Amino acid sequence: ETGVTQTPRHLVMGMTNKKSLKCEQHLGHNAMYWYKQSAKKPLELMFVYNFKEQTENNSVPSRFSPECPNSSHLFLHLHTLQPEDSALYLCASSRGPNSPLHFGNGTRLTVT
Amino acid sequence: DAKTTQPPSMDCAEGRAANLPCNHSTISGNEYVYWYRQIHSQGPQYIIHGLKNNETNEMASLIITEDRKSSTLILPHATLRDTAVYYCIVRPIWNAGNMLTFGGGTRLMVKP
Repeated sequence: ETGVTQTPRHLVMGMTNKKSLKCEQHLGHNAMYWYKQSAKKPLELMFVYNFKEQTENNSVPSRFSPECPNSSHLFLHLHTLQPEDSALYLCASSRGPNSPLHFGNGTRLTVT
Repeated sequence: DAKTTQPPSMDCAEGRAANLPCNHSTISGNEYVYWYRQIHSQGPQYIIHGLKNNETNEMASLIITEDRKSSTLILPHATLRDTAVYYCIVRPIWNAGNMLTFGGGTRLMVKP
């Protein structure tokens, strides 16, 4: 148990679907993150939220839309994805922007 | 951020110490050395970090050379559950986006 819970663990979606990934942390942290891990590529930072405000968008295409309603919850809304977007999407949280990251176990996304 | 170099893979016998090296020859004085690991089908897990002095916690020890150009992560009594990819990361002390650059890491295989 990492304290960061991601749902669903696995998701298969077509290119025309709309789906959302959910992340919840029970650690009292103030910063939350989305990372993408593709096969044979290093982890890539996508978005950063600090006290519910987005502070980083690492040149992510608009078909990925994050939402952070409060410091404990983070969503990633997906629409019109491409097969190359298939990857492991990892959520993380930290006490602050300079503290160690705590990761969830990810959502394995397959786009068909 | 300074780049790191790690061996792609290592083996270790169960119960023995695992010593994982990392070179970071371009590290600057205001950059930490962080270590994370990723067990198969899980998200990355924070292990330890340090600036100049050696550090120890319940998971591992971190030995940083005096010139700070390299470091070694030590798992004192490796178990089969320590089989994972270990990432050495250098990041600035003040890093507003907590942007970690993960490289390829070292795949540690602990064998019975």
